[in-house]
Amino acid sequence: DAGVIQSPRHEVTEMGQEVTLRCKPISGHNSLFWYRQTMMRGLELLIYFNNNVPIDDSGMPEDRFSAKMPNASFSTLKIQPSEPRDSAVYFCASSASGWTEAFFGQGTRLTVV
Amino acid sequence: GENVEQHPSTLSVQEGDSAVIKCTYSDSASNYFPWYKQELGKRPQLIIDIRSNVGEKKDQRIAVTLNKTAKHFSLHITETQPEDSAVYFCAKLDSLTDSWGKLQFGAGTQVVVTP
Repeated sequence: DAGVIQSPRHEVTEMGQEVTLRCKPISGHNSLFWYRQTMMRGLELLIYFNNNVPIDDSGMPEDRFSAKMPNASFSTLKIQPSEPRDSAVYFCASSASGWTEAFFGQGTRLTVV
Repeated sequence: GENVEQHPSTLSVQEGDSAVIKCTYSDSASNYFPWYKQELGKRPQLIIDIRSNVGEKKDQRIAVTLNKTAKHFSLHITETQPEDSAVYFCAKLDSLTDSWGKLQFGAGTQVVVTP
């Protein structure tokens, strides 16, 4: 397996534009997590899914953020409209169960200008 | 969920010396405690984990200790090498949702190993 795959690796967009980040979890993993990493706030959990169902989205900062998982092999995180303070590295991670390793994707570095 | 406190935030050590990072938590029901290493510009990766049924686990130069009574766990790196320079995150499984794998991360420790 190629691991957790995220795209794009880098995204530069103008304030107000819509941004969509994509994630393909490891096959067979049933939990998927979206994290945001910044120097100021560290690793923040935004939302996570179990068996494609959103379990907890309390970490989503605002209504501008939304996430979907239409099937077991794909998830998206959308920001609309984007703002400069959304600039961060966004990681997707997946795990097989609660007591096993969470594997992170390589991240998407988002810059909103 | 409960927070995980991690100290120190930065740690500078001479090559060959040991490094120790400590984390504390308040939820006594937590049962799984992984440590992640994140090199500059890379993704966090698991380096070692420990479950609550053991007090210590070793893997070559890395060891983790767990004191469930005191609610703290520590990462020990011996004979540090320049390639150990990275940010290290402690984490624990959220006990309320442990079957789903939700992790609570510490703030991270920037370790710098100087030759």
